[in-house]
Amino acid sequence: EVQLVESGGGLAQPGGSLRLSCAASGFTFNNYDLHWVRQAAGEGLEWVSRVGSTGDTSYSGSVKGRFTISRENAKNSLYLQMSSLRAEDTAVYYCAREMGYAFDVWGQGTVVTVSP
Amino acid sequence: DIQMTQSPSTLSASVGDRVTITCRASQTISRWLAWYQQKPGKAPKLLIYKASSLESGVPSRFSGSGSGTEFTLTISSLQPDDFATYYCQQYNSYSYSFGQGTKLEIK
Repeated sequence: EVQLVESGGGLAQPGGSLRLSCAASGFTFNNYDLHWVRQAAGEGLEWVSRVGSTGDTSYSGSVKGRFTISRENAKNSLYLQMSSLRAEDTAVYYCAREMGYAFDVWGQGTVVTVSP
Repeated sequence: DIQMTQSPSTLSASVGDRVTITCRASQTISRWLAWYQQKPGKAPKLLIYKASSLESGVPSRFSGSGSGTEFTLTISSLQPDDFATYYCQQYNSYSYSFGQGTKLEIK
């Protein structure tokens, strides 16, 4: 079964850091671009970041310079290192697999709360 | 950055109705447009990719059309399971963005 499972969410202080992980299974991890997408409570979806199969990266303007996406193909894992966290980063964070510029597989999400 | 605008924001309809949701891009995106369905507390589900290609396992009552800057999602005959929120999503030059969502409610 193709699956993505996020972990690492929790409570962080404003200005603090948190590292999210996403474990993949059921497909050839190396072959796919992977993304993080977030959703604040009651709000819409917001694309956060992408890492290509070759390791190239891109970010939304709202997180560029604060978040770092990475992957470890040997462990079938995707990461999001979040620093200088703000209240507006509070959201459910999903990892997603890209197929043809669309997101065809999603994790169940992990909750990040930034609060004093 | 490309902005995606969906209309309407909320749509009230009945089982059996035909409904259409529109998504407009602030600049041309060719056909790199996808549609998702999301239910409360769940991850989004891909319905349509490349503007009009139906994702495997998605019922054929869902269809997509459009190119350039204007796109539509049509549900030909609403079923009870279709009441949810729908999002469009674009790709352009290694940047992605979503529309604000359309909540499809039971009339």
